[in-house]
This record gives sequence, C-alpha cells and structure tokens, in this order.
Amino acid sequence: AQKITQTQPGMFVQEKEAVTLDCTYDTSDQSYGLFWYKQPSSGEMIFLIYQGSYDEQNATEGRYSLNFQKARKSANLVISASQLGDSAMYFCAMSPSSGGSYIPTFGRGTSLIVHP
Amino acid sequence: DTGVSQNPRHKITKRGQNVTFRCDPISEHNRLYWYRQTLGQGPEFLTYFQNEAQLEKSRLLSDRFSAERPKGSFSTLEIQRTEQGDSAMYLCASSLTIGALSYEQYFGPGTRLTVT
Repeated sequence: AQKITQTQPGMFVQEKEAVTLDCTYDTSDQSYGLFWYKQPSSGEMIFLIYQGSYDEQNATEGRYSLNFQKARKSANLVISASQLGDSAMYFCAMSPSSGGSYIPTFGRGTSLIVHP
Repeated sequence: DTGVSQNPRHKITKRGQNVTFRCDPISEHNRLYWYRQTLGQGPEFLTYFQNEAQLEKSRLLSDRFSAERPKGSFSTLEIQRTEQGDSAMYLCASSLTIGALSYEQYFGPGTRLTVT
C-alpha cells in the first residue's frame, strides 16, 4: 500500500516569490510515479507535473519543478514566481507503475494562498 | 475541444434514494476513472474502465455502487440506497493510453452529492 503525507495544511506566499510544498511518500514498489495536481475553488483537478522513480533528473514544467529525493522519499513541489492565480489546493500523489494503469493515491493536500 | 464533463454538478437526495451520475470523457480517451473526494481529503480511487471493460474496482466500491461504460464512451455511476456517508464530490477523469502507460489524467468538475 502507498501512503502520501503532506504536512502543511496551509501555506502563504507573496506574489512573485517562490514557494515549496512538501510531500513525503511511503511505498514498497520499486517502480512508481509521483504527481502533483492543483485544485482551484472550481473543483477541477489540474495535472501539473510528473516524476518517474527512475528519472535521474528532477521534472520541470514551466514555473513548476519537482524536487525529487528518492532516498528520503520526498517529492516537493516548487512554484517559482508565484501568481495570484496559483491560489488553490495542491495534492501530491503517487502510483506504482507496474500495473495496468497509473492509479494515484493522493495526500490530503496543502492550501496555498498567494498575497498581492 | 471540450474537456471532461459531468452531470449533474450538484445533487441533493434523501437517504435511501438511488442516484445516478454521468461522465462524458474527452472524446477518444480510452480510459475513464471515478474518484470520490470528501471534505479535507484528496480524491480516492473507486474504479476505472478501459473502453467498455471495467478493469479495477477499489474496496471502497461497495455493492451499493455500480459503474458502467457502455460502448466505451460516457460512463454512469449509480449509488443505490444512499447513506449520509456517501455525501462527497464524485470526480471523473479520462486519459488516452496507447502502448505505454499514460500518467496524465484529465478531470471533470465533479458532481457534489449531499445525502440528507
């Protein structure tokens, strides 16, 4: 079974500053994927970034980067140059990649508020 | 191009009634997923389809829940004899998987169910 822990229920950041959202995971699988999703108040989950467990380089997608530390089982999301539209819930998730499909197990989320 | 759509967006029902939700995935996406999200939690996987075949069901999916995807297009999720504990947001997602696993799932806006 997989477990995702997001210890920050809420985070605040000034517009244009960078912010790191923490995520640790626990799994016995050797091959797995790590994900981050954004959920604005409208409710729709938006895929942000993916990291494979065998990827040696940290994933980046625009202003999003995933700080992957395999030995520590952490997959923190870094958002650079925060924007007001980044205010939302952020969910870390993981899935084994050995089965027929990625089926993410999600953490409880971190609420991010960006101040002007 | 339209995204994943779900109907209805909100449903209020009395305990013991049956309810049915519909999900229309992105056209030509062959995989469709259902999740449930309760307040303060991340989404929890319920079931998924590849085309019309239901390939996996979570233990969360009790025998009061049934999902179908006739003809591999839209899907319905039915809850029979609703209970107050069924109150949640029900999210649908779809993905296109050809050969290699596709990690990116596109989510709909969800159906919020309130059981009184």
